[in-house]
Amino acid sequence: DGGITQSPKYLFRKEGQNVTLSCEQNLNHDAMYWYRQDPGQGLRLIYYSQIVNDFQKGDIAEGYSVSREKKESFPLTVTSAQKNPTAFYLCASSIGSDPPLNTEAFFGQGTRLTVV
Amino acid sequence: GESVGLHLPTLSVQEGDNSIINCAYSNSASDYFIWYKQESGKGPQFIIDIRSNMDKRQGQRVTVLLNKTVKHLSLQIAATQPGDSAVYFCAEILANQAGTALIFGKGTTLSVSS
Repeated sequence: DGGITQSPKYLFRKEGQNVTLSCEQNLNHDAMYWYRQDPGQGLRLIYYSQIVNDFQKGDIAEGYSVSREKKESFPLTVTSAQKNPTAFYLCASSIGSDPPLNTEAFFGQGTRLTVV
Repeated sequence: GESVGLHLPTLSVQEGDNSIINCAYSNSASDYFIWYKQESGKGPQFIIDIRSNMDKRQGQRVTVLLNKTVKHLSLQIAATQPGDSAVYFCAEILANQAGTALIFGKGTTLSVSS
């Protein structure tokens, strides 16, 4: 059953701690993305990766870090430098990184991170 | 900054009516425009896309219209059903030297009443 999996669904952390959100896909997609969604807001791009061992900053990369050591995995670390980390985080993948191969992105179910 | 946006944050329709969701964009260089649907607690789901050299594209019960003159995109849903209730996002492809990625607008919440 192919798809994109984010874990965990809910995550609670204390302020000042780093936390890593998992994102795995078995769709054999080259491109992967991380978005942040706040209540009533659209999706804002954090980081994206077009290919293994390569990634680019999105609009709101400060306070986040990623790695792309394997094609199927794109973990996101929310560091203590992120001023307002509580949000809904969405990971996505697409077949390729250029249109039209990236117009259809497949999203995971999201991870809701709460920092207390 | 934000390069895609929607005119109205909410839209309420009766079951069976047609729905029109609007979006304004500012990046004239975008090659593709896309509509996504997000149901509560889930990730967004692709609905339909349109290339910038087209002005209309139809799918199953949905039609996307692109007006490049006024930089306006719309999604029309025919015979709206309760299952269409969701948040709808327009998106565009952002391309720069670093690569390409989907950039989303803020979304319109569609509520369908029976």
